[in-house]
Amino acid sequence: DGGITQSPKYLFRKEGQNVTLSCEQNLNHDAMYWYRQDPGQGLRLIYYSQIVNDFQKGDIAEGYSVSREKKESFPLTVTSAQKNPTAFYLCASTRWGAANEKLFFGSGTQLSVL
Amino acid sequence: DAKTTQPPSMDCAEGRAANLPCNHSTISGNEYVYWYRQIHSQGPQYIIHGLKNNETNEMASLIITEDRKSSTLILPHATLRDTAVYYCIVTLNTGNQFYFGTGTSLTVIP
Repeated sequence: DGGITQSPKYLFRKEGQNVTLSCEQNLNHDAMYWYRQDPGQGLRLIYYSQIVNDFQKGDIAEGYSVSREKKESFPLTVTSAQKNPTAFYLCASTRWGAANEKLFFGSGTQLSVL
Repeated sequence: DAKTTQPPSMDCAEGRAANLPCNHSTISGNEYVYWYRQIHSQGPQYIIHGLKNNETNEMASLIITEDRKSSTLILPHATLRDTAVYYCIVTLNTGNQFYFGTGTSLTVIP
């Protein structure tokens, strides 16, 4: 089945540690997105990528980094510079620049600080 | 992208229709109205979207006012599994951001 796979489902980070969240899609979508969600809040955009080897900062990119070496993969690294990383992280994908299209989401990764 | 306004919470009796309103008074002519829902600790799920005409699919109906400044998502026979946060979003196309506000938390009551 086509879809978006996020892993792991739960992740724990120690102080000062970088951690990487995985996002893979087999929908042949151009665009991929990372969102952060805090309890009781909506989704906030961290980074997005329209094509391979290109990505743009969203509203809350500080303390995060991404790469887009392959069309199907868009990993997110939460660096030690992100002082409040505990949140639910969601990856999404879609066809870029198309009207009448929709976002597809993964099942999310819950990141907690030890 | 136009901003949307939704009530923070609503209740609905099981088996009754759930009508979720959304105000998007600054919507532009080519912006679509999308509805997603999110069950706790899962990724948002697409429900329906439309431009001008009312739309219906197997999950819900979307009613857009003639002036397009507001819309209503209708779940015709709400079940307990419809308890979720519902997000109304307006956007031109996927080249623009999908802004998710805090949505409406719908609780279906037995």
